[in-house]
Amino acid sequence: LAKTTQPISMDSYEGQEVNITCSHNNIATNDYITWYQQFPSQGPRFIIQGYKTKVTNEVASLFIPADRKSSTLSLPRVSLSDTAVYYCLVESGAAGNKLTFGGGTRVLVKP
Amino acid sequence: NAGVTQTPKFRVLKTGQSMTLLCAQDMNHEYMYWYRQDPGMGLRLIHYSVGEGTTAKGEVPDGYNVSRLKKQNFLLGLESAAPSQTSVYFCASTPNVGQGGQPQHFGDGTRLSIL
Repeated sequence: LAKTTQPISMDSYEGQEVNITCSHNNIATNDYITWYQQFPSQGPRFIIQGYKTKVTNEVASLFIPADRKSSTLSLPRVSLSDTAVYYCLVESGAAGNKLTFGGGTRVLVKP
Repeated sequence: NAGVTQTPKFRVLKTGQSMTLLCAQDMNHEYMYWYRQDPGMGLRLIHYSVGEGTTAKGEVPDGYNVSRLKKQNFLLGLESAAPSQTSVYFCASTPNVGQGGQPQHFGDGTRLSIL
């Protein structure tokens, strides 16, 4: 069971790039890395998922090194509305392994 | 397309009372999950279901029961509520699992307070 470790909080300013690194040393071969965003009083929402190398979508990029023991979520040019908690999760192909999100990283974007 | 809908959104119970939280999804997903989230913490899995008529325990199942009589619904029951069960409860679903990973779709939660 892959546990994840990520910083508790990060501050940034509007227009800057925010990079959040998550470590997952015991990730298994079939596991995927998924990042979720959560606003207050809402459920987590999917941002991006990857297996290896780099994945990019309209809101973020995900960088995964060859050993897959860590991953970095990159949020380009953040705005105030990006203030949220970001969770890194290693998701297995088997149900029931989506056990614990961990505490997440609280990102505060300042004007 | 509503996605994952949880009812009720808020509830206050007295210790020892029972209640059922309902999760409904309209995406024809096979897998459904119940989590709890305590202040300042991440989500912990209570129970999950891999299909209609099946349920299994997650990380923190004690004090809860679940049922999946219909594919689209996943019910979470508290038989005798305790103050330690005060939390925000989230339901999630995925199409299925297998090679390729399947991100979870979450509801907006049920805030439960037990006095």
